[in-house]
Amino acid sequence: DSGVTQTPKHLITATGQRVTLRCSPRSGDLSVYWYQQSLDQGLQFLIQYYNGEERAKGNILERFSAQQFPDLHSELNLSSLELGDSALYFCASSLHPMRRGDTGELFFGEGSRLTVL
Amino acid sequence: TQLLEQSPQFLSIQEGENLTVYCNSSSVFSSLQWYRQEPGEGPVLLVTVVTGGEVKKLKRLTFQFGDARKDSSLHITAAQPGDTGLYLCAGAQKLVFGQGTRLTINP
Repeated sequence: DSGVTQTPKHLITATGQRVTLRCSPRSGDLSVYWYQQSLDQGLQFLIQYYNGEERAKGNILERFSAQQFPDLHSELNLSSLELGDSALYFCASSLHPMRRGDTGELFFGEGSRLTVL
Repeated sequence: TQLLEQSPQFLSIQEGENLTVYCNSSSVFSSLQWYRQEPGEGPVLLVTVVTGGEVKKLKRLTFQFGDARKDSSLHITAAQPGDTGLYLCAGAQKLVFGQGTRLTINP
């Protein structure tokens, strides 16, 4: 158990819909990362927050947004869903934000599997 | 954009054999991490390498960071079915992951 909690574990929805994925980081971790994992594309970095503020952005679509709340939990909102958005979405946390030379460990949740029909 | 390429993408071998998987980039990394992901779970950190030429051993797993800090390898000796999983390398800031090597060890 990594200490990172993601809900829901599974979600099936239709194209055009909107969903929210939730992540609670490990106790004490201030930084939260979101990744998308598709079958053929590995882990793609979406966005990172540190202590409530956005710190880094990857190839996150404009239809996707995220935030980190004062209690440090984070939500990833996916809207106008398309078939290609079907994937595993992982949240990870670490104590410190990414810095050049940072060797800190990322702790991953078990992921939220999104299926868009 | 820093890219990490892993090879091979898929590897299926018999129990007891040795194997090496690679993580390559044209960019220099201040450090590099290897993670293993099992089905239904998130990736778990195996090792962090920091110094060019560094070699780290974790039981039957040997990790090496290239002298120029652009590449890394993972060698497994006498592979066991429990080694089955997706092996991912990640750059220092964890913003870039390789696409992974999916390893299957057959009994």
